[in-house]
Amino acid sequence: QLQLQESGPGLVKPSETLSLTCTVSGGSISSRGDYWGWIRQPPGKGLEWIGTMYYKGNPYYNPSLKSRMTLSLDWSKNQFSLRLTSVTAADTAVYYCAWGGSGTYGGRLFDYWGQGTLVPVSS
Amino acid sequence: QSALTQPRSVSGSPGLSVSISCTGTSSDVGAYNYVSWYQQHPGKAPKLIIFDVNKRPSGVPDRFSGSKSGNAASLTISGLQAEDEADYYCCSYAGDYTLIFGGGTKVTIL
Repeated sequence: QLQLQESGPGLVKPSETLSLTCTVSGGSISSRGDYWGWIRQPPGKGLEWIGTMYYKGNPYYNPSLKSRMTLSLDWSKNQFSLRLTSVTAADTAVYYCAWGGSGTYGGRLFDYWGQGTLVPVSS
Repeated sequence: QSALTQPRSVSGSPGLSVSISCTGTSSDVGAYNYVSWYQQHPGKAPKLIIFDVNKRPSGVPDRFSGSKSGNAASLTISGLQAEDEADYYCCSYAGDYTLIFGGGTKVTIL
């Protein structure tokens, strides 16, 4: 059973960089054809797709966040990461990492999710 | 990229059915048969319940069904049960490996 766990700072100050890591267990992020993604949810609001990473390292970004974000993979640690620069209060959200499917179904759904981590942006 | 349009809330009595609409455009919902639906209980991570418009992952009851017509997709929950009370989100592929979610619908069991 695939399990994902987000980790990162409990608080980020405005204008600084938010960095989150997702640790995967029960499977390998280097598995052929797999996709790995990030989704966020501001408190009391809906879900927003942030971006998806193909196992080979090809990133796909939400156009509205593209200029501020970077996705990366670390095969040796079985982790994938999100960096979001110049954050504001609008970036306050629960951030989820998720498995984005594989092969024919890859890149268009999220089947296994982490529990989510709340990242407040505040001075 | 604007969020897909969903009703803010729907309600139904136990044993009956409710449907949730998800309206997009000819660039997302209308262009691809890649609509998925997620169920989210308070304080929990979302759970995939429908993918590719009308396919159910293993373990999801057949009370949940999906459909699509033109630029709109729908999720129907038949035989409503107390545990179906949750928020539901649609999501559509929008090309170039981008995705767009709906604003979410709260389902209340009367």
